[in-house]
Amino acid sequence: DGGITQSPKYLFRKEGQNVTLSCEQNLNHDAMYWYRQDPGQGLRLIYYSQIVNDFQKGDIAEGYSVSREKKESFPLTVTSAQKNPTAFYLCASSMGGKTGTYEQYFGPGTRLTVT
Amino acid sequence: AQSVTQPDIHITVSEGASLELRCNYSYGATPYLFWYVQSPGQGLQLLLKYFSGDTLVQGIKGFEAEFKRSQSSFNLRKPSVHWSDAAEYFCAVLYSSASKIIFGSGTRLSIRP
Repeated sequence: DGGITQSPKYLFRKEGQNVTLSCEQNLNHDAMYWYRQDPGQGLRLIYYSQIVNDFQKGDIAEGYSVSREKKESFPLTVTSAQKNPTAFYLCASSMGGKTGTYEQYFGPGTRLTVT
Repeated sequence: AQSVTQPDIHITVSEGASLELRCNYSYGATPYLFWYVQSPGQGLQLLLKYFSGDTLVQGIKGFEAEFKRSQSSFNLRKPSVHWSDAAEYFCAVLYSSASKIIFGSGTRLSIRP
């Protein structure tokens, strides 16, 4: 089955530690995205990548980093510089490369709790 | 600035009743429009999309939406809701000049037995 996988579903970390969230897709999509969702709020874009070895900052990139070494994978690292990292993180992908005019498909999400 | 507005934060309807969720977007050329649904603790699922052509689009789970350019709206409708429709619904817009989708803040739908 084609789809997007995120692991783990729940993640707990101590304050001051970096943590990496995994996102893998087997849809052969060019573009991948990371969003953050807080209770009662919509989705806020952290980073996106339209093609391998290239990525751009979204609206709330501070305290986060990404890499795109393979088409299938787009891991997100939440660094200790992120002031309020506890949130639900969603990964998405779409066919659109440079044109970007396609719908996005989402993974099941990772809930990160930092104490 | 490009934006999407979902004016209703929370709506409650009775099971079997009709539903309309509102979505307005800021004016812009050639918008591509989407509705997504999210169950608690889950990812988002695409319900339907509008790119061009017929302004009334059909989606999954019995949902439909109508694009009205004159009103900058893309409202989601369902003639008869089921208890399983209780979820959060997000409207989203992609402008042809941009490379990222803008999401509304969501409408939470509750179903009254």
